[in-house]
Amino acid sequence: GDSVTQMEGPVTLSEEAFLTINCTYTATGYPSLFWYVQYPGEGLQLLLKATKADDKGSNKGFEATYRKETTSFHLEKGSVQVSDSAVYFCALSVAGYSTLTFGKGTMLLVSP
Amino acid sequence: DTGVSQDPRHKITKRGQNVTFRCDPISEHNRLYWYRQTLGQGPEFLTYFQNEAQLEKSRLLSDRFSAERPKGSFSTLEIQRTEQGDSAMYLCASSPTRGQSSYNEQFFGPGTRLTVL
Repeated sequence: GDSVTQMEGPVTLSEEAFLTINCTYTATGYPSLFWYVQYPGEGLQLLLKATKADDKGSNKGFEATYRKETTSFHLEKGSVQVSDSAVYFCALSVAGYSTLTFGKGTMLLVSP
Repeated sequence: DTGVSQDPRHKITKRGQNVTFRCDPISEHNRLYWYRQTLGQGPEFLTYFQNEAQLEKSRLLSDRFSAERPKGSFSTLEIQRTEQGDSAMYLCASSPTRGQSSYNEQFFGPGTRLTVL
């Protein structure tokens, strides 16, 4: 079946540090890939997406590139802020408009 | 605010009681999804609707769980004879019909946190 594996957290960084959160996947078909973010006390929000190989999704300084050869979709940001502290979920969807399969989430804690 | 809304936000119940949650999707969205999220885990799919039709149910959805979307607008999720293992965050999401927005972007509500004592 479909699955998503994320690095375990928490990831603890100082403000302005570089961020990488690893995500790899297995899928029965050709998936679309997503990163969702959950801020404390709030619902999941779509952060970025990529729908085909070599696509780069980007939003709010975050980027992730769809790597089919390594089945990966790692999240990166060049300079994190305290306000980026949240839980980040990698997810996939196969065969458009179907359900999402999520990873377990990675908590990011950014200190001033 | 025209996002997905859920009610109640929190529910505490005793084991064996029945509970019902409501989800109001974004008005023009045809698809509505229910997920369950336990502590330290990502959301797990439970079921989804296209308009009023329930198109798929996860094996996680035991016979104590039932979901409806009678008029293709809001949805309810009922859990009968609750068990402590049902304690979780229940998330609702909606998405538009193909062609109206980004590919399978699901918009999530804030969730209903259920605690079964």
